[in-house]
Amino acid sequence: LAKTTQPISMDSYEGQEVNITCSHNNIATNDYITWYQQFPSQGPRFIIQGYKTKVTNEVASLFIPADRKSSTLSLPRVSLSDTAVYYCLVASASSGSARQLTFGSGTQLTVLP
Amino acid sequence: GAVVSQHPSRVICKSGTSVKIECRSLDFQATTMFWYRQFPKQSLMLMATSNEGSKATYEQGVEKDKFLINHASLTLSTLTVTSAHPEDSSFYICSAVVSGGQVHQYFGPGTRLLVL
Repeated sequence: LAKTTQPISMDSYEGQEVNITCSHNNIATNDYITWYQQFPSQGPRFIIQGYKTKVTNEVASLFIPADRKSSTLSLPRVSLSDTAVYYCLVASASSGSARQLTFGSGTQLTVLP
Repeated sequence: GAVVSQHPSRVICKSGTSVKIECRSLDFQATTMFWYRQFPKQSLMLMATSNEGSKATYEQGVEKDKFLINHASLTLSTLTVTSAHPEDSSFYICSAVVSGGQVHQYFGPGTRLLVL
């Protein structure tokens, strides 16, 4: 299993860029890296997914170094509504069924005015 | 994007009763669904993997006779908490996986269970 390690919490101010790094030292060749956002009493919401290098969508960027042992979620110009818990998940599909999926502790991001 | 629904969104029941939670993929077929449990201020814990047409695979420490999972169709999985007790009170979240290729989970909104 690819265990993940993230900072427990981070604070930021509105309008700043926030970078959250996740360590996954024993990531496997077939594993993808996915980041989710979760608000209280809601299910996680998909943010971004990548395998290597850089991925960008309308809400975030994901940076993955060549060794893939870590990844960094970058949120540009955060707002108060970005206050949430952010999880990185490393998982793959094999033989038509998914491997065991283990969520790490997540990072509580608090955006201050 | 793909939508996953859960019903009910919240339920309160008496100790000893059974509660059924439904998880539906609304606009796609999911051969695999997952059930998670989340306690306050904690991360999601995977309980079981639900595969359409076959028995669920339970994680270590999860009682299969207490948490009954049925995945009768490609769009529906149900979790039944049998003889619920106050310690079963939690937030239950399901997810559905788009078949094939990389794992891409779509999560339901969750079900808050309170056992009195």
